[in-house]
Amino acid sequence: DAKTTQPNSMESNEEEPVHLPCNHSTISGTDYIHWYRQLPSQGPEYVIHGLTSNVNNRMASLAIAEDRKSSTLILHRATLRDAAVYYCILKSGNTPLVFGKGTRLSVIA
Amino acid sequence: NAGVTQTPKFQVLKTGQSMTLQCAQDMNHNSMYWYRQDPGMGLRLIYYSASEGTTDKGEVPNGYNVSRLNKREFSLRLESAAPSQTSVYFCASSFGRNYEQYFGPGTRLTVT
Repeated sequence: DAKTTQPNSMESNEEEPVHLPCNHSTISGTDYIHWYRQLPSQGPEYVIHGLTSNVNNRMASLAIAEDRKSSTLILHRATLRDAAVYYCILKSGNTPLVFGKGTRLSVIA
Repeated sequence: NAGVTQTPKFQVLKTGQSMTLQCAQDMNHNSMYWYRQDPGMGLRLIYYSASEGTTDKGEVPNGYNVSRLNKREFSLRLESAAPSQTSVYFCASSFGRNYEQYFGPGTRLTVT
């Protein structure tokens, strides 16, 4: 399976943008980049996914490098409720999601 | 819509006991999944069901069995619980295997 590398933890101030990086240098042409997050004591929650182009939705934006070897999840204004573990996952076709350890985001008021 | 529901929320078992974790979804999804999450770790896939009537092993299937009872329900059974199965168990569903997954709130299982 193609693997992703994320920082173990990051910190952000409330109401500021947050850029969560993910490296995936062995990504294949059919791999989609998925992001999920897991709030404390809850199940994971889908955030966003993309293939080649940048993507926006109500929760976040996903910026994908031109060579697709890295991507960045952007939270435009962090709130305390965004404190969670964020998982960057490569998924191709019918392969299942494979969760790594993710990035633990702390938001400071 | 309740989304994905799991019962029970908490369970304590003694080694060797058996139990079934229940999962149901009301989103008319075709695919359902069972994961476990150990402390400080990411989720690991135990079993999945791509569609009603089919089940397949995931990364860590040993010690577990599953039943896709109907389109809504997917149960996970521990025949003889072991302390190594102490974990939080999450059920998830998706419209299809290429689609985003929706997760339940989890079942916290302790085996003593």
